[in-house]
Amino acid sequence: GNSVTQMEGPVTLSEEAFLTINCTYTATGYPSLFWYVQYPGEGLQLLLKATKADDKGSNKGFEATYRKETTSFHLEKGSVQVSDSAVYFCALAVTNAGGTSYGKLTFGQGTILTVHP
Amino acid sequence: GAVVSQHPSWVICKSGTSVKIECRSLDFQATTMFWYRQFPKQSLMLMATSNEGSKATYEQGVEKDKFLINHASLTLSTLTVTSAHPEDSSFYICSARDLTSFTETQYFGPGTRLLVL
Repeated sequence: GNSVTQMEGPVTLSEEAFLTINCTYTATGYPSLFWYVQYPGEGLQLLLKATKADDKGSNKGFEATYRKETTSFHLEKGSVQVSDSAVYFCALAVTNAGGTSYGKLTFGQGTILTVHP
Repeated sequence: GAVVSQHPSWVICKSGTSVKIECRSLDFQATTMFWYRQFPKQSLMLMATSNEGSKATYEQGVEKDKFLINHASLTLSTLTVTSAHPEDSSFYICSARDLTSFTETQYFGPGTRLLVL
């Protein structure tokens, strides 16, 4: 079956520190990979995604590269801000050979990030 | 961006009663909506896939008679927790796929917190 494993949190950093949140996956088929962010009191928002091997997703200074050889999709940011404090979820969706998604997302357990001034 | 709303955001009910949660796509049509359950400090668990005009598809281990799902229109899906018990207390989240999009992007509602006394 499909599964996503994230590094356990919580992660606490000082502002401007470098962030890495590890994510590895197992999947059948051709997975697309995602990072979602959940700010306090809000719903999940798509942060970035990558649909094939070696793709790099990026948004708001965050980056993640789809590494098929290591089945990983680690999230990185060079300089975090207090406003980045949130819960981050790695997820995958399996697509068919034509790239059409079946729609079902499999989530990792989430990583709580707290950034202090 | 696309907006998904949920109502209510918070509900407290007595054991044995039923609770209905609504999920609406506000500015797009969604043939498919998903219902998730999130336990404290844990990941989202997919409960069921709701397709407009047809029966929902439930994940293994989810009681379909307990969690009734109706997707009567392209903008509304409802989840009814029947004869709720304290163990049903959780955070319920819906998501919706844009009818016009063939990507995997899902838009999430802000969630409904259910507390059964």
